[in-house]
Amino acid sequence: GAVVSQHPSRVICKSGTSVKIECRSLDFQATTMFWYRQFPKKSLMLMATSNEGSKATYEQGVEKDKFLINHASLTLSTLTVTSAHPEDSSFYICSARDHRVQGGGTDTQYFGPGTRLTVL
Amino acid sequence: AQSVTQLGSHVSVSEGALVLLRCNYSSSVPPYLFWYVQYPNQGLQLLLKYTTGATLVKGINGFEAEFKKSETSFHLTKPSAHMSDAAEYFCAVRENGGFKTIFGAGTRLFVKA
Repeated sequence: GAVVSQHPSRVICKSGTSVKIECRSLDFQATTMFWYRQFPKKSLMLMATSNEGSKATYEQGVEKDKFLINHASLTLSTLTVTSAHPEDSSFYICSARDHRVQGGGTDTQYFGPGTRLTVL
Repeated sequence: AQSVTQLGSHVSVSEGALVLLRCNYSSSVPPYLFWYVQYPNQGLQLLLKYTTGATLVKGINGFEAEFKKSETSFHLTKPSAHMSDAAEYFCAVRENGGFKTIFGAGTRLFVKA
């Protein structure tokens, strides 16, 4: 199946610094990628939809100036957590939408392995 | 608006016993329904999905789920639990024709020897 990678897998940073997380679709082009945040023992919360070549669409309550998303190519989306604080510590997961019709007649989302962010 | 409710944040079964994880959804249009599994500190792996057609869907690792429109349910089952099935399971819904996926709160499955 299609593969989505995330880099880094883990990052520890000091409060006030910015952290960039990359999400790549390795064997397909993804015009749409999604960024999720998962708190410990909680479900995934959709943060934003990343569209190649245009501005991301943020969910209600997500600060777009805090979480900068850039989808500059068909295989790469980046999430930058700006001026990170301890409350931003979380597991961030991206997914990429493969528009090619798969079995079952619908496109498929593939999830990355996640990035564990710890802000000290 | 769509939503997903997973009944039971924790389910514990003995090895070899039936696994039943419950999921109910709310959607104003025919939905696409998914079950994902997540192992600790890893991303999500698709177990199975329902889009159209047969309401009983078979997935990987011996799991299956049945779409019951009248009950707005999509429960996940496996006849015989294995220790390796211990993980977090998420039910998810997406609107037919849409692309935003909404996840349930998750159910942690424990398998006892």
